[in-house]
Amino acid sequence: DADVTQTPRNRITKTGKRIMLECSQTKGHDRMYWYRQDPGLGLRLIYYSFDVKDINKGEISDGYSVSRQAQAKFSLSLESAIPNQTALYFCAASVSRSNQPQHFGDGTRLSIL
Amino acid sequence: GQNIDQPTEMTATEGAIVQINCTYQTSGFNGLFWYQQHAGEAPTFLSYNVLDGLEEKGRFSSFLSRSKGYSYLLLKELQMKDSASYLCAVSDSNYQLIWGAGTKLIIKP
Repeated sequence: DADVTQTPRNRITKTGKRIMLECSQTKGHDRMYWYRQDPGLGLRLIYYSFDVKDINKGEISDGYSVSRQAQAKFSLSLESAIPNQTALYFCAASVSRSNQPQHFGDGTRLSIL
Repeated sequence: GQNIDQPTEMTATEGAIVQINCTYQTSGFNGLFWYQQHAGEAPTFLSYNVLDGLEEKGRFSSFLSRSKGYSYLLLKELQMKDSASYLCAVSDSNYQLIWGAGTKLIIKP
């Protein structure tokens, strides 16, 4: 497994605050992803990165930004949080250009009041 | 557009067999994944199909028909711990995963 670690696991904050969610992986996988999951909607891709210099928008990137600080680290930022960004956020990692599965972190439950 | 369809919820009895279906329409196809997700936890990989046919892995099997855009996950000898959501995801022409909304499986004693 990719051993993907997310911090924090839970976060409650107020509208307008800047928030950063962090993700690291220990297996040297090239690709990293950020998803959000809302009840009944499944996983939706926010951003993905194929390597340190490659960042791509996903299905729902508005209101979010990311940084790939190193191959092992991929952080997600909400510059000015709003209540409809309340969700469960997952980071994932996978080997590039193959059909090996994505391996997920344990998730960050984010609540914006 | 790209679309993955799964039933929202299914109920089955402990010890029985259940089949969870997934139909898809995507731009390109590079394989189909099934994941299991317990409530509030991370999805975990169950199976991968890229060729037509059945892949068996213990109590779980997964089937694919590319011509029909159809897959199913078969769970045998159901146990209470199998209560979870089951996510179908298709790898498209860019090797990006397109996810279904998941099927919540409820196991009753």
